[in-house]
Amino acid sequence: KAGVTQTPRYLIKTRGQQVTLSCSPISGHRSVSWYQQTPGQGLQFLFEYFSETQRNKGNFPGRFSGRQFSNSRSEMNVSTLELGDSALYLCASSPQADTQYFGPGTRLTVL
Amino acid sequence: GEDVEQSLFLSVREGDSSVINCTYTDSSSTYLYWYKQEPGAGLQLLTYIFSNMDMKQDQRLTVLLNKKDKHLSLRIADTQTGDSAIYFCAESSRNTGGFKTIFGAGTRLFVKA
Repeated sequence: KAGVTQTPRYLIKTRGQQVTLSCSPISGHRSVSWYQQTPGQGLQFLFEYFSETQRNKGNFPGRFSGRQFSNSRSEMNVSTLELGDSALYLCASSPQADTQYFGPGTRLTVL
Repeated sequence: GEDVEQSLFLSVREGDSSVINCTYTDSSSTYLYWYKQEPGAGLQLLTYIFSNMDMKQDQRLTVLLNKKDKHLSLRIADTQTGDSAIYFCAESSRNTGGFKTIFGAGTRLFVKA
């Protein structure tokens, strides 16, 4: 089976812009979780979607949002970007959100 | 709230065994995991153990779980330079919204040739 894919792999944006990241889970997996990884804060949970519904949400401001499509592909959106949003954004897929398989990540740099 | 703690650094010589330790607080944990992250890459699932198991061995990797003390360890036998990476411990428990997974801050393993 193909692994989790994330696009784009690298992204450079400026403050105030918005960005959309995409994640395609492993075939058959219905759960997609998103994480933000920074050197200072480590791996922080953003949200988890299962069958197009957000089931769990971390402690991030409303500028961070996501959605999941009927084919389980997921997108996350960050509006009004801030310098502190620079991070590696990781997507993980799972049959039930128990054992998670991660994609390579999207490295976002905000200038 | 739930927490997972790991030491930040570990340095070993090539050929020695590495032992990475982790403690967690959630007594309702269902699964416990070890992930490996190499520079610039995502997290690779190395192994996992169900909370009702004490030990799991997979080639050079041995996972030990002490549920009473909420302590998890990962032993890497015959450590190689290619094992240099960050190792994350994680625990997963079922909640009303499905599963919730908490990750530790990661242990950076340095392997000296």
